[in-house]
Amino acid sequence: DQQVKQNSPSLSVQEGRISILNCDYTNSMFDYFLWYKKYPAEGPTFLISISSIKDKNEDGRFTVFLNKSAKHLSLHIVPSQPGDSAVYFCAATEPTSGTYKYIFGTGTRLKVLA
Amino acid sequence: DAGITQSPRHKVTETGTPVTLRCHQTENHRYMYWYRQDPGHGLRLIHYSYGVKDTDKGEVSDGYSVSRSKTEDFLLTLESATSSQTSVYFCAISENGGRAHEQFFGPGTRLTVL
Repeated sequence: DQQVKQNSPSLSVQEGRISILNCDYTNSMFDYFLWYKKYPAEGPTFLISISSIKDKNEDGRFTVFLNKSAKHLSLHIVPSQPGDSAVYFCAATEPTSGTYKYIFGTGTRLKVLA
Repeated sequence: DAGITQSPRHKVTETGTPVTLRCHQTENHRYMYWYRQDPGHGLRLIHYSYGVKDTDKGEVSDGYSVSRSKTEDFLLTLESATSSQTSVYFCAISENGGRAHEQFFGPGTRLTVL
């Protein structure tokens, strides 16, 4: 059972416009969320994170919004640039006595058209 | 960029043969992880290590074993490879395993089991 879901496998956006990538989760114990970006033939790289005590976190062109009641988070990229074309994964963790383990979504492939 | 290398980067092997993948880090991070990435599944944790000789299972550990005899090296072994283990394998490291410290990923190893 997929606890973290990215229901859109792909998304195309015009350069300069907003890209919105969505992520839904089912586990109400998740309290920390991250977004990773992955280019072909490379490992994922950390992009932005948000704690469940917040509903928004911003870093430059990237903003993550968290709606706990809906168990939904979204990543906004404004303005979108061709270099943003990549696969984006959301991930979530829950409090645990051991190391924090990430549960990843299946990814959304973003294509920014010049 | 975090100093993480994986070897080999590509490998083709036959069903039933043993395979060992190596992850090497130069960051002296305590935590190391092995993931596999498959279409429709995102990234799934296989095993992780929280110190030398200290390892634990992830969500898809069956058919895999790991060893960590030095801080810098984390080995993933497929004792008898099967076609279902064809995948892209990523190693990741984390300074202290905490959720506020993101994981840094290696470039990946593409394994094909014929």
